[in-house]
Amino acid sequence: ESVLTQSPGTLSVSPGERATLYCRASQSVSRWDLAWYQQKAGQAPRLLMYAVSIRATGIPDRFSGSGSGTDFTLTIHRLEPEDSAVYYCQQYGTPPLYTFGQGTRLDIK
Amino acid sequence: QVQLQESGPGLVKPSETLSLTCAVSGYSINNDNWWSWVRQSPGKGLEWIGEIHHSGSTNYNPALKSRVNILVDRSKNQFSLKLSSVTAADTAVYYCVRNGNACLDVWGKGTTVTVSS
Repeated sequence: ESVLTQSPGTLSVSPGERATLYCRASQSVSRWDLAWYQQKAGQAPRLLMYAVSIRATGIPDRFSGSGSGTDFTLTIHRLEPEDSAVYYCQQYGTPPLYTFGQGTRLDIK
Repeated sequence: QVQLQESGPGLVKPSETLSLTCAVSGYSINNDNWWSWVRQSPGKGLEWIGEIHHSGSTNYNPALKSRVNILVDRSKNQFSLKLSSVTAADTAVYYCVRNGNACLDVWGKGTTVTVSS
């Protein structure tokens, strides 16, 4: 089973700035098989990005994804207070088919 | 607009079977998607439980496979989860989800299940 490790655990950034979140896989991941989710307090996760860099429906272009192999990045530009959430990366592949990182908590101070 | 809604008991006794249903609206479960259950507990984060296709084909998380059964009811446009021999470790928020392309693209709001006597 491939393990996803996200860093940092918590990130505190000012409104208007940029946040960079990292996801490292223990085994190489196809670019088609890496997704990111946003989970706000008390809500279900919401799909942000799939296939590394394709934004899901309704996701603003302030969100971008990049990376390949074992190292992936989610970048959020021009941070807004509503971006405060926990962000998870997810890979698809060998059983279990879907595995998640432990999450990065983003605080907009 | 596709919506998913979980329902079922919020409290289950240890050793009993957890049963949840996911009603899908605004979208036919007979379309060519898979449908998943995911749970989230403070101790283990997000954990994928398993998936089902409208044909009835399933895939399960090996860690839970011996206790999980996912079924589909095409006539009611819903699918369900049964998890047997539950313990306190199964206490979690359970989500039903529509699968996208190697991702989980539409989530229900989730339902909290507590395992306690």
